[in-house]
Amino acid sequence: GIQVEQSPPDLILQEGANSTLRCNFSDSVNNLQWFHQNPWGQLINLFYIPSGTKQNGRLSATTVATERYSLLYISSSQTTDSGVYFCAYTGNQFYFGTGTSLTVIP
Amino acid sequence: NAGVTQTPKFRILKIGQSMTLQCTQDMNHNYMYWYRQDPGMGLKLIYYSVGAGITDKGEVPNGYNVSRSTTEDFPLRLELAAPSQTSVYFCASSPLGSMYEQYFGPGTRLTVT
Repeated sequence: GIQVEQSPPDLILQEGANSTLRCNFSDSVNNLQWFHQNPWGQLINLFYIPSGTKQNGRLSATTVATERYSLLYISSSQTTDSGVYFCAYTGNQFYFGTGTSLTVIP
Repeated sequence: NAGVTQTPKFRILKIGQSMTLQCTQDMNHNYMYWYRQDPGMGLKLIYYSVGAGITDKGEVPNGYNVSRSTTEDFPLRLELAAPSQTSVYFCASSPLGSMYEQYFGPGTRLTVT
């Protein structure tokens, strides 16, 4: 199956700081999603982004399918951004990365 | 709308016991999924369904069974529970034409001892 690698595995930020999370794929990307799992375990869709760039408030994502990576940008981080961010290849099957654990401290 | 609901929230099973994890969605979504999440890991797809009466295997189907007799319900059956099935189980659904827009349930934490 598709291999999905995320970096960094852990990230600690001061509130207000910006960050970039990276997701690399072992094969060409046709479909890609970013998810957030909050500290209580709830999973939320952030972006479906097979290519190009999308923005939603302080979050934006860019996928460069030909180079097999995607980036998630978080600007002006808030404590509520804490949790684990997963990227996933989504086609007939779904392959998740192991996530980036983000802690935003006040 | 309640969205995707899962029961129970927690369960402890003895090795060899069986149980069914319930999943219900009230959004009239065609697609439904079962995932497991082991500690410190991402989700792995167990089974999925594209509509009532249709199910298919995901990445890790061994030891599990599913059925989809209605649009709303997608139960996951564990037969002969093993310690390797200790995990958090998430159910999700997505609408026809937008299978990537998944809505997740709150999860069921299962321990097999």
